[in-house]
Amino acid sequence: EVQLVESGGDLVQSGGSLRLSCAASGFSFSSYAMSWVRQAPGKGLEWVSSISGSGSSTYYADSVKGRFTISRDSSKNTLYLQMGSLRAEDTAVYFCTKARPTGIKFHMDVWGQGTSVTVSS
Amino acid sequence: DIQMTQSPSTLSASVGDRVTITCRASQRIGNWLAWYQQKLGKAPELLMYQASSLESGVPSRFSGSGSGTEFVLTISSLQSDDLATYYCQQYSSYPYTFGQGTKLEIK
Repeated sequence: EVQLVESGGDLVQSGGSLRLSCAASGFSFSSYAMSWVRQAPGKGLEWVSSISGSGSSTYYADSVKGRFTISRDSSKNTLYLQMGSLRAEDTAVYFCTKARPTGIKFHMDVWGQGTSVTVSS
Repeated sequence: DIQMTQSPSTLSASVGDRVTITCRASQRIGNWLAWYQQKLGKAPELLMYQASSLESGVPSRFSGSGSGTEFVLTISSLQSDDLATYYCQQYSSYPYTFGQGTKLEIK
């Protein structure tokens, strides 16, 4: 069974840093691109970042570019999101997602349960 | 960036009704569109991908159609378990973008 388990969410002060982790199991981790998607309280879904299976390609939303870094460790089957210069508007539940290729594109087929980040000002 | 616009934002329907949700893209995205269902307090779940492909395990009352800029999610016969918010998402190009969501209420 494919499983994604996020951790690392916390209450942090504005300007602070946090690292989220996503432990993956049930599939060949290094073969699949992965992403982070967030959801602010009472709001819709916002794509944050994606990383290729090899880790060589990364993509970011403009809202987090230069502040967040996505990475992966295939030896630990774990995806990370290093978050810096945190702002109140980064307050959200962060979901880890697995990508499935269809042709030349990738859609997000499996989601973790999410981890909550609260940034206090 | 590609903007995704869903309509309606809220929909109230009765069990057994046929329900349609529309998603429009601000530019052509081929058929690189996914639909997700999110129940209250839960993570989103994939319903459809590539606009009209039903994800394994999803009931056949769900169907998707469209290409280019206009897409539709249809529930052929609404069930009480379908109470949720539905999101479309384009994966034609980065940054991936979601519609604002359609909250489906059961009368």
